[in-house]
Amino acid sequence: GEDVEQSLFLSVREGDSSVINCTYTDSSSTYLYWYKQEPGAGLQLLTYIFSNMDMKQDQRLTVLLNKKDKHLSLRIADTQTGDSAIYFCAEYVIKAAGNKLTFGGGTRVLVKP
Amino acid sequence: DAGVIQSPRHEVTEMGQEVTLRCKPISGHDYLFWYRQTMMRGLELLIYFNNNVPIDDSGMPEDRFSAKMPNASFSTLKIQPSEPRDSAVYFCASSVLAGEGNEQFFGPGTRLTVL
Repeated sequence: GEDVEQSLFLSVREGDSSVINCTYTDSSSTYLYWYKQEPGAGLQLLTYIFSNMDMKQDQRLTVLLNKKDKHLSLRIADTQTGDSAIYFCAEYVIKAAGNKLTFGGGTRVLVKP
Repeated sequence: DAGVIQSPRHEVTEMGQEVTLRCKPISGHDYLFWYRQTMMRGLELLIYFNNNVPIDDSGMPEDRFSAKMPNASFSTLKIQPSEPRDSAVYFCASSVLAGEGNEQFFGPGTRLTVL
C-alpha cells in the first residue's frame, strides 16, 4: 500500500539551505509533489516532479528524486523567514482500483533570523 | 478565479449537534476532495468525488459523517451527531480531470471545535 514518511521538524538559520526529506513505498507513483502550508491556510502546490525525472529546479527550489531508494527531497536555497511553514510531500499513483494522492505527515520548518 | 471557497471558516458547536461544512470548487474542476487535518493524524483523505459522484469514501471515519455533491459547484460534509474528537481543520480541494498529475487546489479550511 501507499505510505509516505517525513521527518517532523526542521530548524534552519535564515540564509542557509534547507533540505526536507521524504520516503515513499509505492514504486508505481507517477508524480511526486511538494506542498506548502502556511499558518491558518490550506495547502499550496510548490513544485512537482514526474517519476521519470531525477531532478527539477525552480528558482530557489530543487527537487531530487531517487527512484531506486524511493526517496524525495526538497532543497530551499537561501532560506528566508517567509519559508517558515509545514511542507508536505505527496505521491500520486494510478491504479486500476482508482487513482490516489497520498500525503506525508508534513515537516514543520522553522527559519530563525 | 476566487479559488476553492469554504464556509464557515470557523465553527464552534456542542457535542451532539449537527455540523455542516460547505465547499465551492474551482469552476471547471471535475474532482472534489474532503480532507481532515489533526495534529495526531496529520492530513487524512475522507472522500472524493468525480463529476459529482462519490468515488472513494473509505476514509470517512464512521456513519456520523456524510458528504454530498448535488451539483458541480457545491459540496457539503455533514457530521451528525458531532463529538469532541471530530475537532479538526477540514479542507476541501478540487482538481481538473486532465491536470498535470492531478494537481489539487486547496481551500482555506474550516476549523471545527466540538465542545
